[in-house]
Amino acid sequence: QVQLVQSGSELKKPGASVKVSCKASGYSFTSNPMNWVRQAPGQGLEWMGWINTNTGNPTYAQGFTGRFVFSLDTSVSTAYLQISSLKSEDTAVYYCAREHCSAGTCLAPWGQGTLVTVSS
Amino acid sequence: QSALTQPASVSGSPGQSITISCTGTSSDVGGYNYVSWYQQHPGKAPKLVIYDVSSRPSGVSNRFSGSKSGNTASLTISGLQAEDEADYYCNSYTSSYTQVFGGGTKLTVL
Repeated sequence: QVQLVQSGSELKKPGASVKVSCKASGYSFTSNPMNWVRQAPGQGLEWMGWINTNTGNPTYAQGFTGRFVFSLDTSVSTAYLQISSLKSEDTAVYYCAREHCSAGTCLAPWGQGTLVTVSS
Repeated sequence: QSALTQPASVSGSPGQSITISCTGTSSDVGGYNYVSWYQQHPGKAPKLVIYDVSSRPSGVSNRFSGSKSGNTASLTISGLQAEDEADYYCNSYTSSYTQVFGGGTKLTVL
């Protein structure tokens, strides 16, 4: 079955960097774009952007430029989210989600989420 | 891009129907038939329940239905069940070639 498995929780100090992985299985990795979504504690979902898994070209939503980088390793069907210069407000659960539809937006499935905690 | 507007909470009794609204603009909800809805139980990842305004993914109960009128999309859940208690988020494609979520609605089954 189609599945996305993310890396485990991270505890980082302000100013550090973190790299979250999202390993895909059960389908051809390069057939569907991969999206990233943030959910701060007790808050709603926030779309961060997506990466074209064919070309590696990323698109970032407003507010997620500069410190956020999407990347791929197609040899192991894995997408990555790297966040640099971490701030306390980056504390959140980060989800990867496959773009399921050929047009428009429909995200399925989602990874289980990775909690990133930024604290001194 | 501003978040789509959803009511913070809705409630209903088992067996009843509820509707959750999602209001955007002509640059997102009103401009495209690309509205999707997600169900999220506490501590779990979101799950797609409606896409392309009114299409249901395989395996999703037919008690879930979607519609759109102008700049407002709606999710209706009929025959409410206890397991439907969750947070629900709408999502729309936008004219900026991006997508945007609603603020989320907490559904309580009384």
